[in-house]
Amino acid sequence: DTEVTQTPKHLVMGMTNKKSLKCEQHMGHRAMYWYKQKAKKPPELMFVYSYEKLSINESVPSRFSPECPNSSLLNLHLHALQPEDSALYLCAIQDSNTGELFFGEGSRLTVL
Amino acid sequence: SQQGEEDPQALSIQEGENATMNCSYKTSINNLQWYRQNSGRGLVHLILIRSNEREKHSGRLRVTLDTSKKSSSLLITASRAADTASYFCATDARGDSGYSTLTFGKGTMLLVSP
Repeated sequence: DTEVTQTPKHLVMGMTNKKSLKCEQHMGHRAMYWYKQKAKKPPELMFVYSYEKLSINESVPSRFSPECPNSSLLNLHLHALQPEDSALYLCAIQDSNTGELFFGEGSRLTVL
Repeated sequence: SQQGEEDPQALSIQEGENATMNCSYKTSINNLQWYRQNSGRGLVHLILIRSNEREKHSGRLRVTLDTSKKSSSLLITASRAADTASYFCATDARGDSGYSTLTFGKGTMLLVSP
């Protein structure tokens, strides 16, 4: 069982919709990540939060808006997405002592 | 940008055989990690090897690291059908931001047939 919970597991949205992906953790680690993964490709880093502050934004388009309201929650707000944004979105928490990432099961997003 | 390059891209073996996957990278690293991903699922951490280590074991897994060649290998011994998954190497390097982030390689798809 993963200790990182992502919701929803599946999301279908139109290009004019506004939706959010959520990630919750109770591991106490303070580095939180969003990755995007297309089919048969490796995960690509989008954002990194450290102690609830945005530390890294890998030149992600503004239609993706991350938010970290507290040390347990990480959101990814979606607006005016394109069909090519369809992918598996993975949240991960990093153990700062070991560098190991703990992943959620992901949210599979389809943009119509 | 992607740093790790796995080889082979796909590997098909029979149960009981050993599976070896290789990973090459380009820049200096703090450590190198291997992850497993079942189809459509999240990634699961397998093993981490630090830049000052050359070999590490965990159960049926053996990882080697050659920093002079900037390469690593993952060996799975006595494979099982349940080992069927994609395997990714990930390099941990401290970037310009000062934060340590993982960059994943392209992955090896392993198929173990009963």
